[in-house]
Amino acid sequence: GIQVEQSPPDLILQEGANSTLRCNFSDSVNNLQWFHQNPWGQLINLFYIPSGTKQNGRLSATTVATERYSLLYISSSQTTDSGVYFCAVGFVSGGSNYKLTFGKGTLLTVNP
Amino acid sequence: EAGVTQSPTHLIKTRGQQVTLRCSPISGHTSVYWYQQALGLGLQFLLWYDEGEERNRGNFPPRFSGRQFPNYSSELNVNALELEDSALYLCASSLDTYNEQFFGPGTRLTVL
Repeated sequence: GIQVEQSPPDLILQEGANSTLRCNFSDSVNNLQWFHQNPWGQLINLFYIPSGTKQNGRLSATTVATERYSLLYISSSQTTDSGVYFCAVGFVSGGSNYKLTFGKGTLLTVNP
Repeated sequence: EAGVTQSPTHLIKTRGQQVTLRCSPISGHTSVYWYQQALGLGLQFLLWYDEGEERNRGNFPPRFSGRQFPNYSSELNVNALELEDSALYLCASSLDTYNEQFFGPGTRLTVL
């Protein structure tokens, strides 16, 4: 099956710093999503970005599908940005078997 | 617009028992997905339902099963519970296949 690798696994920042999270995937994909998991476990949608670049406030994302990677940028980080960030890719195998495959996540800690 | 809802929020069962988890998708969404997030194992795809049919299942034993009703809500059933079934079970819905998936708050299952 498809492999999804996220880096770094852990990241500690001071409030106000910028960061870049990376997601590499091993095959062509139908879609790609970035999520933030809050302390209660809910996955919050950040971006649906099979290709191209999108921005939403302090967050932006870029997916280069031909080179099989995506980047999530967080600028001017705040303590509320802390949590686990997941990349997930949608992939069809065996003709019609579709599913989202998640990376292991990046644990971000933003200190005041 | 209401998001994906799941019930119950928490559940405690003992080994060998059976459990049913419920999910209501966003209005208009026809695809429902189930995922398991067990400690140390990350987010794993369980099942995908679309238009009342099971379309794909992950690498889980047959005691994990489910169904989708005509109103597109879904149930996940787990028979003969084992300790390692303790996990957060997340349901997601999408407008159709390959589209952005939106997640519910999850059901936290503890098996004693």
